[in-house]
Amino acid sequence: GESVGLHLPTLSVQEGDNSIINCAYSNSASDYFIWYKQESGKGPQFIIDIRSNMDKRQGQRVTVLLNKTVKHLSLQIAATQPGDSAVYFCAESQGAQKLVFGQGTRLTINP
Amino acid sequence: DSGVTQTPKHLITATGQRVTLRCSPRSGDLSVYWYQQSLDQGLQFLIQYYNGEERAKGNILERFSAQQFPDLHSELNLSSLELGDSALYFCASSVAPLNEQFFGPGTRLTVL
Repeated sequence: GESVGLHLPTLSVQEGDNSIINCAYSNSASDYFIWYKQESGKGPQFIIDIRSNMDKRQGQRVTVLLNKTVKHLSLQIAATQPGDSAVYFCAESQGAQKLVFGQGTRLTINP
Repeated sequence: DSGVTQTPKHLITATGQRVTLRCSPRSGDLSVYWYQQSLDQGLQFLIQYYNGEERAKGNILERFSAQQFPDLHSELNLSSLELGDSALYFCASSVAPLNEQFFGPGTRLTVL
């Protein structure tokens, strides 16, 4: 079946620590994955993407890891800042252009 | 600012009514996507257009329809509205299918 889910609905971290947000997917045929950040009152904002021919991709302070063996995706945010507080969604592309989004993880930064 | 614009920002209407939501994609983007975001369902893909043609369909109800015009803007029509249709409706655009999608600020629809 097609489903994208998140291990934890909420995550609290201390400012300056690293954050890891996890996502599981069920369709082994999915070949494109994206992480989005959604701040309160705004639309989702692209963070980073990865294609299935890669297992790691780095951006500015963010890294996405893809483990196709266990169908797991993670987003690592280094040196978490207050501005990182948001809901983070993983999304999976299944063949055609349709994106399937997970339910989201709310990241809270503690000062 | 993603470059995607949506109007109106807020919409309050009654059950049984019909509304039209409008989206202008980023300059140069040919693909437009519509999503519904409600508290209990998360972000749900509704429909996608590419250069005026329907490209992919998701969980879009028969009461809902959309189209993309020659100037590439898109409209989402919601009819026979029900209380459960209250949600945020997002439009996104991309240069081509499977490219990074840029989301608009959304339209918040409240059905009373």
